[in-house]
Amino acid sequence: GQNIDQPTEMTATEGAIVQINCTYQTSGFNGLFWYQQHAGEAPTFLSYNVLDGLEEKGRFSSFLSRSKGYSYLLLKELQMKDSASYLCAVRVLPLSGGSYIPTFGRGTSLIVHP
Amino acid sequence: DGGITQSPKYLFRKEGQNVTLSCEQNLNHDAMYWYRQDPGQGLRLIYYSQIVNDFQKGDIAEGYSVSREKKESFPLTVTSAQKNPTAFYLCASSAGTGPSGNTIYFGEGSWLTVV
Repeated sequence: GQNIDQPTEMTATEGAIVQINCTYQTSGFNGLFWYQQHAGEAPTFLSYNVLDGLEEKGRFSSFLSRSKGYSYLLLKELQMKDSASYLCAVRVLPLSGGSYIPTFGRGTSLIVHP
Repeated sequence: DGGITQSPKYLFRKEGQNVTLSCEQNLNHDAMYWYRQDPGQGLRLIYYSQIVNDFQKGDIAEGYSVSREKKESFPLTVTSAQKNPTAFYLCASSAGTGPSGNTIYFGEGSWLTVV
């Protein structure tokens, strides 16, 4: 089966840097997504990594190591509005074949305080 | 603007009733999905569809049904067989489900409460 692990909750200070880790054990891996979700709202796309390395996009960066089954989302210059849940999702091909379907972790609730 | 529209935003269901959640997209995406989210939990896949007139069960399909008669539409029916339907339901779509990276985009979600 698929197993995706993220910390349940993290706290950080406004202006600081925070790293949210995601580890996974899957078969048929074909990429990893990060989404941001504010309470009661839909997830919004942040990043997609399929090759090893770091992808930078403004204040947010995402890293992937396929050999280690590991990714992290790095948020710089934290703002209060960054308080949200961050979802790691792995795109996998089921053993039975078929379609690449994203499987989501439980999400990490990030609390940014002044 | 292109996007995914879910309705209604809030829905109350009585015990024993079937209810249908609407999902419409104008992104010309082939693939559509329904996820369920419980408080403090991640997203769990209910059903997905790769193409019109075809759909597949996800991890928690029991008590739910779908149809895909049009490319733009993927309604979800929560039947009376679903014993614990109170949750946040998210519809999503992507260009496809092949090996090329295809980002999933979400609708605004529908809150279903059993009364």
